[in-house]
Amino acid sequence: GAVVSQHPSWVICKSGTSVKIECRSLDFQATTMFWYRQFPKQSLMLMATSNEGSKATYEQGVEKDKFLINHASLTLSTLTVTSAHPEDSSFYICSARARSRNQPQHFGDGTRLSIL
Amino acid sequence: DQQVKQNSPSLSVQEGRISILNCDYTNSMFDYFLWYKKYPAEGPTFLISISSIKDKNEDGRFTVFLNKSAKHLSLHIVPSQPGDSAVYFCAAAYNAGGTSYGKLTFGQGTILTVHP
Repeated sequence: GAVVSQHPSWVICKSGTSVKIECRSLDFQATTMFWYRQFPKQSLMLMATSNEGSKATYEQGVEKDKFLINHASLTLSTLTVTSAHPEDSSFYICSARARSRNQPQHFGDGTRLSIL
Repeated sequence: DQQVKQNSPSLSVQEGRISILNCDYTNSMFDYFLWYKKYPAEGPTFLISISSIKDKNEDGRFTVFLNKSAKHLSLHIVPSQPGDSAVYFCAAAYNAGGTSYGKLTFGQGTILTVHP
């Protein structure tokens, strides 16, 4: 089956640090990648949609200057949490899908971000 | 406004019996539905999907049923196994153009426990 790799799986850092999370599709070309955030005991909340070669589309309430997304190739998207603060601590998950209609999104294993 | 709802937070089933997980949606524009399985601290794993032109899709022990008039879908797992214990999310998408293309709206999840 399709594989999406997300790295790192766990980050602990000081307040004010910027953190970059990578999402790679390993065996298919992902024209679209998605970034989600999940709070404890809640469902996944879509943050932004990233299309290869174009600017990301952010959901309402998500600060685009805070969460920088780059989708430079068909297999790689990155999310950078800039100047992270404790309230940014969360579980971040990426997903990727191929171009064809009715293709499922395949998810990475997530990144646990803890800001001290 | 919760467009995709899983009204049962949890379900407990005996090994070998059938597990039925339910999901309701309100947006009639949705035309593609998916089920994902998720373990703690991991990304969701795609299980099965169904297009709105069908009312049933089967893959091994997993069958998804779609009732468009009732805006309801269900996932049947037969026979249930202890390894099926996880959180199950239903998700819906509509393949309109523009920024909505391929975006998933998730339900809140149902915790399935299969007892030996």
